[in-house]
Amino acid sequence: ELKVEQNPLFLSMQEGKNYTIYCNYSTTSDRLYWYRQDPGKSLESLFVLLSNGAVKQEGRLMASLDTKARLSTLHITAAVHDLSATYFCAVVDSGNTPLVFGKGTRLSVIA
Amino acid sequence: NAGVTQTPKFQVLKTGQSMTLQCAQDMNHEYMSWYRQDPGMGLRLIHYSVGAGITDQGEVPNGYNVSRSTTEDFPLRLLSAAPSQTSVYFCASSYRFYNEQFFGPGTRLTVL
Repeated sequence: ELKVEQNPLFLSMQEGKNYTIYCNYSTTSDRLYWYRQDPGKSLESLFVLLSNGAVKQEGRLMASLDTKARLSTLHITAAVHDLSATYFCAVVDSGNTPLVFGKGTRLSVIA
Repeated sequence: NAGVTQTPKFQVLKTGQSMTLQCAQDMNHEYMSWYRQDPGMGLRLIHYSVGAGITDQGEVPNGYNVSRSTTEDFPLRLLSAAPSQTSVYFCASSYRFYNEQFFGPGTRLTVL
């Protein structure tokens, strides 16, 4: 059974600082997705990572995938308040099963 | 394209009542799914469908029924509502089960 673990679950960071959110998963997969959820809103797709070594960047966020380590990272550079949200990773199992989501990382960027 | 739509946005039920949460997508996606989101629990899969006429159970299916008579629609039925079903419900769709999922705006359900 595929398990997806994110850490940290809560993150309070100062504006201008850098930090990384980690997503570990337990079985072989080469597809991983990152989503953002603002309070009271739905989930919005951020990144689609489809192969080992994939790296995607948008603005102050950069996501990468290491399928051998079964690890994805979401790196935040020079955080700003607008990045405050909950971030989820979701992994496709190698079998014919739906996406499995991590529990989410609630990020709060403070001045 | 409207994307994934859900109705209603908010609903209050009494224990024992039944209701249907509606979900529709206009992207011709084969795969559709229902999740519930509770504080500290992340997203938990209730039921999913890989195509019209095909449904399967997810992690927390008890108390819910689904059907998929068309590609576009995937309603979720609560048979006899219980307070434990108080949650936010999201419908999602994707071209195939392994593709990027697109989420609806959610339904906030309270069961008294």
